[in-house]
Amino acid sequence: AQSVAQPEDQVNVAEGNPLTVKCTYSVSGNPYLFWYVQYPNRGLQFLLKYITGDNLVKGSYGFEAEFNKSQTSFHLKKPSALVSDSALYFCAVRDNSGAGSYQLTFGKGTKLSVIP
Amino acid sequence: NAGVMQNPRHLVRRRGQEARLRCSPMKGHSHVYWYRQLPEEGLKFMVYLQKENIIDESGMPKERFSAEFPKEGPSILRIQQVVRGDSAAYFCASSPAGQRGNTIYFGEGSWLTVV
Repeated sequence: AQSVAQPEDQVNVAEGNPLTVKCTYSVSGNPYLFWYVQYPNRGLQFLLKYITGDNLVKGSYGFEAEFNKSQTSFHLKKPSALVSDSALYFCAVRDNSGAGSYQLTFGKGTKLSVIP
Repeated sequence: NAGVMQNPRHLVRRRGQEARLRCSPMKGHSHVYWYRQLPEEGLKFMVYLQKENIIDESGMPKERFSAEFPKEGPSILRIQQVVRGDSAAYFCASSPAGQRGNTIYFGEGSWLTVV
């Protein structure tokens, strides 16, 4: 079975400071990893994904994430937070092996609040 | 370039009624997924379909819930005899094919309230 853990329900950061939203995963094979953002009463917007190759992935709105296989982590980062980044962030994993599920499994989400 | 289209956005049903949620995937996408989001919780997988075929329905409740994706027209998630516990946001997502590395794009959701 595959799973995702987002250990922080909420992250608060001052505007202009760097932000990190943590994610760890578990899959039986190798992972495909995704980050999505959700604004209130809206759907999920895709930010970035790791499939293969460079462990540092760059995505939309200045976000990036680093895949760390040994720590089974895929933390989301941004060098300088904006108030408009305040939202709910979801990490998700999919097993890339043929025997694994096609399901995209989500963490419970981390609420990011950027304080002016 | 329309994204994933869901309707209705908001639906109110009395206990015992039926709810039908519709989803049109992004242009060129042939695979559809349904997820449910309960208040203060993450997204839970329900079902994965391609046209005229259910690939994985392991997340669907055994009773009252069904999904289809016909050859023509949108995908439909049907909930019969709704109960208060069915109140949730239901999200549809689509991808171009079944490759596991493909990005899944989500619609804006259908918020079901059972009164």
